[in-house]
Amino acid sequence: NAGVTQTPKFQVLKTGQSMTLQCAQDMNHNSMYWYRQDPGMGLRLIYYSASEGTTDKGEVPNGYNVSRLNKREFSLRLESAAPSQTSVYFCASSEAEDRALLNEQFFGPGTRLTVL
Amino acid sequence: QKEVEQNSGPLSVPEGAIASLNCTYSDRVSQSFFWYRQYSGKSPELIMSIYSNGDKEDGRFTAQLNKASQYVSLLIRDSQPSDSATYLCAVNTGFQKLVFGTGTRLLVSP
Repeated sequence: NAGVTQTPKFQVLKTGQSMTLQCAQDMNHNSMYWYRQDPGMGLRLIYYSASEGTTDKGEVPNGYNVSRLNKREFSLRLESAAPSQTSVYFCASSEAEDRALLNEQFFGPGTRLTVL
Repeated sequence: QKEVEQNSGPLSVPEGAIASLNCTYSDRVSQSFFWYRQYSGKSPELIMSIYSNGDKEDGRFTAQLNKASQYVSLLIRDSQPSDSATYLCAVNTGFQKLVFGTGTRLLVSP
């Protein structure tokens, strides 16, 4: 099992460009998440999907959109990139269904995004 | 007040010593708690989860939870240089979201 995979690993964009970050998991997990990690800020939740067909906003959703394409795949789209979106982006998945007690999340390797 | 607080460190311990990492949280309805290890340039790796008061041991790691005092800790026995990393505390308040602390950097010197 590959676990959680993310593409690309690195990306440089110019302000205003768009791109989609891809995430896939092969653990048959119900829930998937997108986080960003910035120095001194810790991991912050952007969007999550508690099950196939549902998505919800996290702490910092502005400037992003998501699609839960199927149970395996959850993509994050930046429509018009801004320098403030320079960050490391992590996708995670969890077997837990909505409001489960034990929400163990497993992370992908991350995408390092720079917006010039 | 931050929801999950950790001392940023670095916490320096000699090889073979016990490293003690602490985390406090503000939401009393928090239900489960997690410790992640993150090496520089890598993704967080789940090492412990706990949801009942008391201690939970797994190898050299022990997680301790005290819901009345709203803190959770991680003890690493016989610390090794390979344990040098940032340790993230995460709290599940029961709404499908984990709230992460900013992490404590641990340095284990040979």
